[in-house]
Amino acid sequence: EVQLVETGGGLVQPGRSLKLSCVASGFTFNNYWMSWTRQAPGKGLEWVASITNSGGSTYYPDSVKGRFTISRDNAQNTLYLQMNSLRSEDTATYYCTRDGPGIFDYWGQGVMVTVSS
Amino acid sequence: DIQMTQSPSFLSASVGDRVTINCKASQNINKYLNWYQQKLGEAPKRLIYNTNNLQTGIPSRFSGSGSGTDYTLTISSLQPEDFATYFCLQHNSFPFTFGSGTKLEIK
Repeated sequence: EVQLVETGGGLVQPGRSLKLSCVASGFTFNNYWMSWTRQAPGKGLEWVASITNSGGSTYYPDSVKGRFTISRDNAQNTLYLQMNSLRSEDTATYYCTRDGPGIFDYWGQGVMVTVSS
Repeated sequence: DIQMTQSPSFLSASVGDRVTINCKASQNINKYLNWYQQKLGEAPKRLIYNTNNLQTGIPSRFSGSGSGTDYTLTISSLQPEDFATYFCLQHNSFPFTFGSGTKLEIK
């Protein structure tokens, strides 16, 4: 059974940093691209970052480019999202997703990040 | 960026009804269109990928169609567990973009 478990969320002040983790199990982690997607409270979904299976290439929307960094440790079956210079508009639930055929086939339960002073 | 216009935003229907939800892309997305269901407090669940491929374990009352810029999710006979919010996602090109969602409510 595919499982994705995110940790690392919490309350952080504007301008500070936070690092999310996602531990994967139930599949061969290094065979799949992985991504992060977020959802602000009561709002829609926004893709945040993707990484190739080797970790050699990464992709971001303009809203987070230069502030967020996606990475992975294939030996530990773990995906990361380093978030710097956080803003109030980054407040959201962050989901780890597996990019199986057709992408975003499995989602974690999500982790809440609140950016507030 | 490709904009995804989803309609309607709200839909009120009864058990047994046939309903359709639409997504229109601002440019051709070559059938790289997924549909997700999200219930309150839960993560999204993929229903359909690449326009018309049913995710394993999803009931056959869900189907997808479309091409070019216009795509449709159809639920052939609504069941009580189908009342939820539905989102489309284009993954033809970066940045991947979602529709704004359709909240399906019980009439």
